[in-house]
Amino acid sequence: GEDVEQSLFLSVREGDSSVINCTYTDSSSTYLYWYKQEPGAGLQLLTYIFSNMDMKQDQRLTVLLNKKDKHLSLRIADTQTGDSAIYFCAARALTGGGNKLTFGTGTQLKVEL
Amino acid sequence: DGGITQSPKYLFRKEGQNVTLSCEQNLNHDAMYWYRQDPGQGLRLIYYSQIVNDFQKGDIAEGYSVSREKKESFPLTVTSAQKNPTAFYLCASSRVSSGSAHNEQFFGPGTRLTVL
Repeated sequence: GEDVEQSLFLSVREGDSSVINCTYTDSSSTYLYWYKQEPGAGLQLLTYIFSNMDMKQDQRLTVLLNKKDKHLSLRIADTQTGDSAIYFCAARALTGGGNKLTFGTGTQLKVEL
Repeated sequence: DGGITQSPKYLFRKEGQNVTLSCEQNLNHDAMYWYRQDPGQGLRLIYYSQIVNDFQKGDIAEGYSVSREKKESFPLTVTSAQKNPTAFYLCASSRVSSGSAHNEQFFGPGTRLTVL
């Protein structure tokens, strides 16, 4: 089945850019998602990218997709303390049921003053 | 307001007891999901349902059971057979679509279960 991996922690200074990376294994993945989780809460969709795109920009967020290497990244420009959270990458593959998502372990982003 | 509700927010259970977690949605979604979240392990799928009266096991279904008698509701029972039930449980829902259509999963606020 699909396997999605992320690094566990990232620490940045306020105002810098954050880059969170993700790799996945199933080349049939059609959509790739980034979710944000604040402490003790559910997940909130930040952005997503379809597999025929290589970049998507939405205000401070930029998603890059390298389909050949099965690598996805989320760049947050001008990172603020309110961006401190866990960020999950998720992949939706056609195999095994087209509506299921496989989530990565999550990257804990800490923004320091 | 449309959304997903989970109750209770915190739940304490003695070892050997079954407990049921509630999940309700008013988004008119056909599909509903239960995930378990443990630190450093991300979200793992327990069960999912794409239509009323039908559900499938996810990756870690052992020790859990579900029912889907109504479109709006997808309760999860954590049974005494689940060896390590202390975790954060998240419910989600979505439309059902083909692989070529974007299909966001909407999440509830979660229930933190602690076994004493």
